[in-house]
Amino acid sequence: DIQMTQSPSSLSASVGDRVTITCRASQTISSYLNWYQQKPGRAPKLLIYAASSLFDGVPSRFSGSKSGTDFTLSISSLQPEDFATYYCQQTYNSPRTFGQGTKVE
Amino acid sequence: QVQLQESGPRLVKPSETLSLTCTVSGGPISDYYWSWIRQPPGKRLEWIGFIYYNGVTNYNPSLKSRVTISVDPSKNQFSLKLRSVTAADTALYYCARDGYSGYGAHSDYWGQGILVTVSS
Repeated sequence: DIQMTQSPSSLSASVGDRVTITCRASQTISSYLNWYQQKPGRAPKLLIYAASSLFDGVPSRFSGSKSGTDFTLSISSLQPEDFATYYCQQTYNSPRTFGQGTKVE
Repeated sequence: QVQLQESGPRLVKPSETLSLTCTVSGGPISDYYWSWIRQPPGKRLEWIGFIYYNGVTNYNPSLKSRVTISVDPSKNQFSLKLRSVTAADTALYYCARDGYSGYGAHSDYWGQGILVTVSS
């Protein structure tokens, strides 16, 4: 299975901060990488697909990028509603696998 | 707007079969792939498998021997059966719709999730 490793596991930030979360794949996955946001007691929501494509209705402060097997989710100016846990997911190979999550608090 | 809703027993005894159904509304089940994903308490998300509306399936090898996903297009539903459950199968179970781009699948619509506890 392809291992997805996120860093950091948690971070402390303030409203207005720029936040960056990294996800590293254990092998090449091209751009088969998605990012989800999950709030406590809620289902995950798709933010970014194909490494850098913004899903419908997602604010433009969210962006994704790729460098080799490293992927980055950035939030340009953190808003109160952005405090949540973020997961990356690869769909290059079966089984699809997720990172362990990054909690933004 | 597509909506998904999981339903089924929330308590299952060890060694028995977990059975869940996902009802899709706001759009047809045809022409899409549909996934089951679970999340044990405090742990990361785990993909269980998917089904296409024509019945083609793909399962996570770690669960393949115990899992069956089926679809009923006439009811706009798809279902999950997980046999011989143990406490390790206690989790929030989500159903989701898979959209596709040139770079694979992404789960774009999710159900609210259902907590299933395995306990005697």
